[in-house]
Amino acid sequence: DGGITQSPKYLFRKEGQNVTLSCEQNLNHDAMYWYRQDPGQGLRLIYYSQIVNDFQKGDIAEGYSVSREKKESFPLTVTSAQKNPTAFYLCASSITQAGGKPNSPLHFGNGTRLTVT
Amino acid sequence: AQTVTQSQPEMSVQEAETVTLSCTYDTSENNYYLFWYKQPPSRQMILVIRQEAYKQQNATENRFSVNFQKAAKSFSLKISDSQLGDTAMYFCAFLTPGAGSYQLTFGKGTKLSVIP
Repeated sequence: DGGITQSPKYLFRKEGQNVTLSCEQNLNHDAMYWYRQDPGQGLRLIYYSQIVNDFQKGDIAEGYSVSREKKESFPLTVTSAQKNPTAFYLCASSITQAGGKPNSPLHFGNGTRLTVT
Repeated sequence: AQTVTQSQPEMSVQEAETVTLSCTYDTSENNYYLFWYKQPPSRQMILVIRQEAYKQQNATENRFSVNFQKAAKSFSLKISDSQLGDTAMYFCAFLTPGAGSYQLTFGKGTKLSVIP
């Protein structure tokens, strides 16, 4: 079955350490996204990528970095510069079409809960 | 910038009853899409229903339907015959296709509890 896999489900790190969250999809989707979810805040966009080797900052990119070396993979690194990294992180993907009309909504992974102490 | 407002942080409904979740949005765009996502305790985000702004007909998916009022910028979700499995966070989301990117803007969510 096609889908999006995020690993690990739970991640614990000490303050000051960088940590990388994995996101892999086998849906053959061009676009991938990272969202952060905090209680009472909804989902906020961190980074997104429309094609391989290209990505754009979202609304809250500070303290995060990404790479898109393969179509299937879009890892997110939470750096020590991120002041409040403890949160639930969701990866998503979607089809993109020429002409700017999306024909499908976002498909989400199951998320990674990051706790930094 | 687009904003999405869900004015009901929490709601409850008796099993088999009907409930309506509110969502309003603000945009200057004319071409856009609206979605309702469900997030159960497992935290998996699941698409419930979507609406294209250029379609006047309200979208329906089984027990789920929307009341799309474009002039009022309102997009409410109606759940009929509520079931225990409908207990979840519900997020309204707005998407404007532009410059090749498809960024969803989410509301802060409504926590729905279905009571037996």
